[in-house]
Amino acid sequence: SQQGEEDPQALSIQEGENATMNCSYKTSINNLQWYRQNSGRGLVHLILIRSNEREKHSGRLRVTLDTSKKSSSLLITASRAADTASYFCATAGTYKYIFGTGTRLKVLA
Amino acid sequence: DAGVIQSPRHEVTEMGQEVTLRCKPISGHDYLFWYRQTMMRGLELLIYFNNNVPIDDSGMPEDRFSAKMPNASFSTLKIQPSEPRDSAVYFCASSYIEGTEAFFGQGTRLTVV
Repeated sequence: SQQGEEDPQALSIQEGENATMNCSYKTSINNLQWYRQNSGRGLVHLILIRSNEREKHSGRLRVTLDTSKKSSSLLITASRAADTASYFCATAGTYKYIFGTGTRLKVLA
Repeated sequence: DAGVIQSPRHEVTEMGQEVTLRCKPISGHDYLFWYRQTMMRGLELLIYFNNNVPIDDSGMPEDRFSAKMPNASFSTLKIQPSEPRDSAVYFCASSYIEGTEAFFGQGTRLTVV
């Protein structure tokens, strides 16, 4: 069964704008990860945030984690057309990575 | 390292036929995962291995599906007999340490007609 659910399911923005995606999950986790998937390709790891961290940055990416609400958000700043992809959160408990349903992001040039 | 390598990239087969998907994980990675992706169900974890041993196969949909990892550098996912509802993209992924970054292959797009 799916662990995480992303919100929104789809998002369309103009180049240069910020994109925010949210993820909710159900059980306790060791860490939460975000992945990107370009059409027809495999998933690529973006960033990992541990359960004892609240915020993490990597380039134009900012991830927050609220374990009390069992939720996370991914912010992409100054979006580019190349950011067009599907974004998934993945919760890592013991060994397993359980993926959410994904957010389809379209960045219009 | 060339990353996780899956073969074939595309497979079209007739209902009832046996299908074997192959995966070569990144050298040194102790964990290997098989996922299935469909529009309806998203990414589903089918099975994962640790040091070539299957740890959890609770995601395998039914007895028609089987997976093996005879050595650290090779794994197979077999469907016998295949059915149209098995049509999906199957991904293999590997990771070095439990719960860290998973590296995905490019996937095998399976179409059962």
